[in-house]
Amino acid sequence: SAVISQKPSRDICQRGTSLTIQCQVDSQVTMMFWYRQQPGQSLTLIATANQGSEATYESGFVIDKFPISRPNLTFSTLTVSNMSPEDSSIYLCSVEGETTGNYGYTFGSGTRLTVV
Amino acid sequence: GQNIDQPTEMTATEGAIVQINCTYQTSGFNGLFWYQQHAGEAPTFLSYNVLDGLEEKGRFSSFLSRSKGYSYLLLKELQMKDSASYLCATNQAGTALIFGKGTTLSVSS
Repeated sequence: SAVISQKPSRDICQRGTSLTIQCQVDSQVTMMFWYRQQPGQSLTLIATANQGSEATYESGFVIDKFPISRPNLTFSTLTVSNMSPEDSSIYLCSVEGETTGNYGYTFGSGTRLTVV
Repeated sequence: GQNIDQPTEMTATEGAIVQINCTYQTSGFNGLFWYQQHAGEAPTFLSYNVLDGLEEKGRFSSFLSRSKGYSYLLLKELQMKDSASYLCATNQAGTALIFGKGTTLSVSS
């Protein structure tokens, strides 16, 4: 299954600033997915990122707040813009498994963001 | 849209068997996934069911009934390290996983 390197692993940021999270995959993948996991909650899908096209955002998430780049088939970034304490969460990227039945979807190790 | 429901919390003792249920309503069903997530870690893949029936993998088994929109994860011979959140998820073909709220399992000695 794919291996994802996600960074930073954690950060503490001032409100009003922005943080860019990077995910690098060791193989080419068509789609990459970005999730948010608020404290004590499950994973919520933010957007789907395809190479060469604009990301598709889920209800409640907008491009101005969470701009996404997907410059090639192995890399994507998610920026959390104009942060407030409510943005304190874990952010994870994910890719579909090589063979869904055997490998499922793989996740990066996550970025734990604290906004102060 | 997709709606996934699972219990919030469960407790069990070491050596016991526990069954975590998941019901779902989804359009374009492509499969039912179970993930395990320890505190502070990323989710790890446990199982995938696309056909009805039981899939067994060591101490963990997963069952699916598509007609009932129902799945369960069965954990046998519980160990303390099985204390974690268990996430039920579905997807449509070629799309992202959509997760339920997760079940926090606490295993005590």
